[in-house]
Amino acid sequence: ELKVEQNPLFLSMQEGKNYTIYCNYSTTSDRLYWYRQDPGKSLESLFVLLSNGAVKQEGRLMASLDTKARLSTLHITAAVHDLSATYFCAVDKIQGAQKLVFGQGTRLTINP
Amino acid sequence: DVKVTQSSRYLVKRTGEKVFLECVQDMDHENMFWYRQDPGLGLRLIYFSYDVKMKEKGDIPEGYSVSREKKERFSLILESASTNQTSMYLCASSNRGPEAFFGQGTRLTVV
Repeated sequence: ELKVEQNPLFLSMQEGKNYTIYCNYSTTSDRLYWYRQDPGKSLESLFVLLSNGAVKQEGRLMASLDTKARLSTLHITAAVHDLSATYFCAVDKIQGAQKLVFGQGTRLTINP
Repeated sequence: DVKVTQSSRYLVKRTGEKVFLECVQDMDHENMFWYRQDPGLGLRLIYFSYDVKMKEKGDIPEGYSVSREKKERFSLILESASTNQTSMYLCASSNRGPEAFFGQGTRLTVV
């Protein structure tokens, strides 16, 4: 059974600092998704990582995928308050089928 | 922009009621999904559909059914609502590409 685990589940940090959210998954997959959710809102797609070694960056967020280690990271650089949200990673249960298995979510709070 | 619209943002229903959650997408997507979101558990797949009148069970289908009579509409049905079905329900749609688009969610409370 595919399991996806995020670490940490809660993260409180100060503006200007760097930090990394980790996403581990238990079975082979070469497709991983990162989503953002603001309170009371739906999920917004951030990144889709489609192969081993894939790296994508958007503003202060950078995501990477290591399929051999079954690990993805979401790195936050010089955090700003607007990045406060819950971040989810998800993995395809069956490749290309988009039957996603989600991690628990990481609630990120960035304090001024 | 892709739009996935869920019919209600908030619903309060009584135990034993039959509940319908509606989802409509406007981008002619083939695939549609229903997830529930609970704190600490992330999102879990209830049912999905790859085509009209086709449906497949996800990871937690018990107590739920679905209907897809038209390509743009995917309904989640709680046959007899129970308090443990109190949750946030999210609909999503996608096409052949890797990305799924989510609706705004329906927060269902069963009392």
